[in-house]
Amino acid sequence: EVQVVESGGDLVQPGGSLRLSCAASGITFSTYAIHWVRQAPGKGLEWVSVGTSGSTYYADSVKGRFTISRDNSKNTLYLQMNSLRAEDTAVYYCAKDLYAWGSGYFDYWGQGTLVTVSS
Amino acid sequence: EIVLTQSPATLSLSPGETATLSCRASQSVSSYLAWYQQKPGQAPRLLIYDTSNRATGIPARFSGSGSGTDFTLTISSLEPEDFAVYYCQQRSNWPPLTFGGGTKVEIK
Repeated sequence: EVQVVESGGDLVQPGGSLRLSCAASGITFSTYAIHWVRQAPGKGLEWVSVGTSGSTYYADSVKGRFTISRDNSKNTLYLQMNSLRAEDTAVYYCAKDLYAWGSGYFDYWGQGTLVTVSS
Repeated sequence: EIVLTQSPATLSLSPGETATLSCRASQSVSSYLAWYQQKPGQAPRLLIYDTSNRATGIPARFSGSGSGTDFTLTISSLEPEDFAVYYCQQRSNWPPLTFGGGTKVEIK
């Protein structure tokens, strides 16, 4: 059974940093693209970033501030978030790509972790 | 960036009725469109991908159609558990991947 579990959400001050983790099980983690998608309170979904086996991509809204990395030995994907702003406040979901090659569709999602940026 | 516009924003229907949700893209996405369902306090769930392919475990009452810039999600004979928010999403030209603003299907 595939499971995706996020952790690391917290209250952080504007300009601060936070690292989110995404642990996936039930898959050959190293071969799959894994995405971050966020949802501001009461708002819609926004794609943030993806880490594939060889590449990383980011939404313009986070480029230069957020960095994805992965530790395949721990089946874990990380999202390092720096220079946080109030508009980064959201539930952050980790989502597995439908296909190993990175289709851009999300078939398994975690429960989400809340990041609040406020003074 | 491809912008997806969903309509209507809210759809008020009774159980047993048919829901028809629309998603329009600012440029052609070919057939590279998905639909997700989200219930309050839950993560989204993949329903349909590549316009008309149902994801694993999705009931046959959910169907998708369209191509290019105009797409439709149809939910035949609404069940009580179908009342939720639905999002479309494109993967035609990414990054970035983009979502529509959502349609809420509520009980009339």
